[in-house]
Amino acid sequence: EIVLTQSPATLSLSPGERATLSCRASQSVSSYLAWYQQKPGQAPRLLIYGASNRATGIPARFSGSGSGTDFTLTISSLEPEDFAVYYCQQRGDWPLTFGGGTKVEIK
Amino acid sequence: EEQLLESGGGLLQPGGSLRLSCAASGFTFRSYAMSWVRQAPGKGLEWVSTVTGNSEVTYYADSVKGRSTISRDNSKNTLYLQLNNLRAEDTAIYYCARVLIRYFDLWGRGTLVTVSS
Repeated sequence: EIVLTQSPATLSLSPGERATLSCRASQSVSSYLAWYQQKPGQAPRLLIYGASNRATGIPARFSGSGSGTDFTLTISSLEPEDFAVYYCQQRGDWPLTFGGGTKVEIK
Repeated sequence: EEQLLESGGGLLQPGGSLRLSCAASGFTFRSYAMSWVRQAPGKGLEWVSTVTGNSEVTYYADSVKGRSTISRDNSKNTLYLQLNNLRAEDTAIYYCARVLIRYFDLWGRGTLVTVSS
């Protein structure tokens, strides 16, 4: 099973600041990685797939990069609605697995 | 509008069974693989199972393998999950999700399953 490790667990930032979230895979998943956003009481929402492709309707301030085992989600300038938990997910092999999440909270 | 709506959750006894349903609307259901993903209270996401569009192939997480069955009825645009021999660790919100190249691009609001005596 491919284990995804996200860091940091919590990121405390102010609106307007840049957020950089990391996801590391226990073995290469090529570019087969997605990022999701989840707000309290809501279902997750797909943000990025294929490591760097924004899903439909996702603002340009969200960007993804990386390949192999190291991936990054960047939010260029945090909006109030961006404070949430973010998960990465790999589709490189079965079972499909998620990282443990990074909470982006207001400082 | 594309939508997924889960049902069938509730309070269940250890050792019991559940059958969850997910009604899809607004898209061509048979064209997509579908999955169940769960989230224990206060925890992260866990993929549970996936079925291809024509039901030919199914995949299961080890945590439910042997005691679960994923199925679908394309004539009713509905996805199902049968889970037997329930354990406390099955307590979670169960989400139905549409699969796009093994990513989850559309999610339902979830249904809460609580396993407790």
